[in-house]
Amino acid sequence: NAGVTQTPKFRILKIGQSMTLQCTQDMNHNYMYWYRQDPGMGLKLIYYSVGAGITDKGEVPNGYNVSRSTTEDFPLRLELAAPSQTSVYFCASSYGGTGSYEQYFGPGTRLTVT
Amino acid sequence: AQTVTQSQPEMSVQEAETVTLSCTYDTSESNYYLFWYKQPPSRQMILVIRQEAYKQQNATENRFSVNFQKAAKSFSLKISDSQLGDTAMYFCAFMRGDNTDKLIFGTGTRLQVFP
Repeated sequence: NAGVTQTPKFRILKIGQSMTLQCTQDMNHNYMYWYRQDPGMGLKLIYYSVGAGITDKGEVPNGYNVSRSTTEDFPLRLELAAPSQTSVYFCASSYGGTGSYEQYFGPGTRLTVT
Repeated sequence: AQTVTQSQPEMSVQEAETVTLSCTYDTSESNYYLFWYKQPPSRQMILVIRQEAYKQQNATENRFSVNFQKAAKSFSLKISDSQLGDTAMYFCAFMRGDNTDKLIFGTGTRLQVFP
């Protein structure tokens, strides 16, 4: 049981490049989330999903896209990377729906855009 | 919109002593949940403790306890018998009871435990 896994761990992008951050969970969780953490700040929600085929925006969705074709996977797509997207990205998952279930976080991806 | 405020950017405590981290939040919701997360240097987010707003009793988990003051919208974390392994960033977080389970985080308090 690996929990929530994220790849890559680190990435440097040039301005204007695109990439996909991968997130996979093996706990059969319905709910999945993407957060970003800027230096010295708390996490902010980018997108979330309450089940396969269902996604919705969080607090800071601009510049990102997501899809949820399976229960296990929730990739985050960055199009036309900008320096403002330099951050640490966390994926999380939970059974969800009542606040009673813990959100399990992945180890994070550190992204630098230069 | 909900907001979470942590007014102590940094705190320090000696090993075996007790420390309290502060958190206030703003909401008009009646059904919500509050959390404290720990983020050690490894960057991994770890749930420390959870409080349901409808429960008057303060949550406790071993050395960790909260002081939940609903009317004052205050949710402080007390760490007793501090250990070196408690050194980390601590984040307070709010969740509406709307079945989306979205977390809103404060900016964090960096806690250093000294021997």
